[in-house]
Amino acid sequence: DGGITQSPKYLFRKEGQNVTLSCEQNLNHDAMYWYRQDPGQGLRLIYYSQIVNDFQKGDIAEGYSVSREKKESFPLTVTSAQKNPTAFYLCASSPLQQPQHFGDGTRLSIL
Amino acid sequence: GENVEQHPSTLSVQEGDSAVIKCTYSDSASNYFPWYKQELGKRPQLIIDIRSNVGEKKDQRIAVTLNKTAKHFSLHITETQPEDSAVYFCAARWDTGRRALTFGSGTRLQVQP
Repeated sequence: DGGITQSPKYLFRKEGQNVTLSCEQNLNHDAMYWYRQDPGQGLRLIYYSQIVNDFQKGDIAEGYSVSREKKESFPLTVTSAQKNPTAFYLCASSPLQQPQHFGDGTRLSIL
Repeated sequence: GENVEQHPSTLSVQEGDSAVIKCTYSDSASNYFPWYKQELGKRPQLIIDIRSNVGEKKDQRIAVTLNKTAKHFSLHITETQPEDSAVYFCAARWDTGRRALTFGSGTRLQVQP
């Protein structure tokens, strides 16, 4: 889906460092989501937002933070409190009550 | 909260055979059930979805069935082809509550030529 852009594609984190993953959409979607995918596993919800300036914790929010200052942007910060951050991070967006579509993902690894 | 269980975790079929993947969900309020296909290293892509007011939906070789009473839904792929090989995820959502999807753990489908 060319309308959802995640960057960078690959990211490396040092011990004690916070890193921010970018997710931008030009589809005018109200809702945006962040999922984490570990090898051979399903997608687990980190945070989601249904409207600007509002967001809710998902199932595994500890060690992560988000903001939704603009409709088109939903950045995810992986803080140093997240002790096992190595994973594939997927951002998605949708109009309310419509199917979610995903970006191409960011693969985060620890140095 | 919602819990989605998916079976089998791996499935191997011969080209031309049918494949069936099954999911069960726990929250009877869930009313939207999509299926995603994910190729290695790529994003999940929506292949078909169904809402709770419909029992079956078909799109060419792919169909999804929903049994609300039993709280399970299934993906059916007929006349499988090697390019159907991928990981398939089911998901569930309650459109008037938490509107984010809860995913199953995935099924790795291998279609043998």
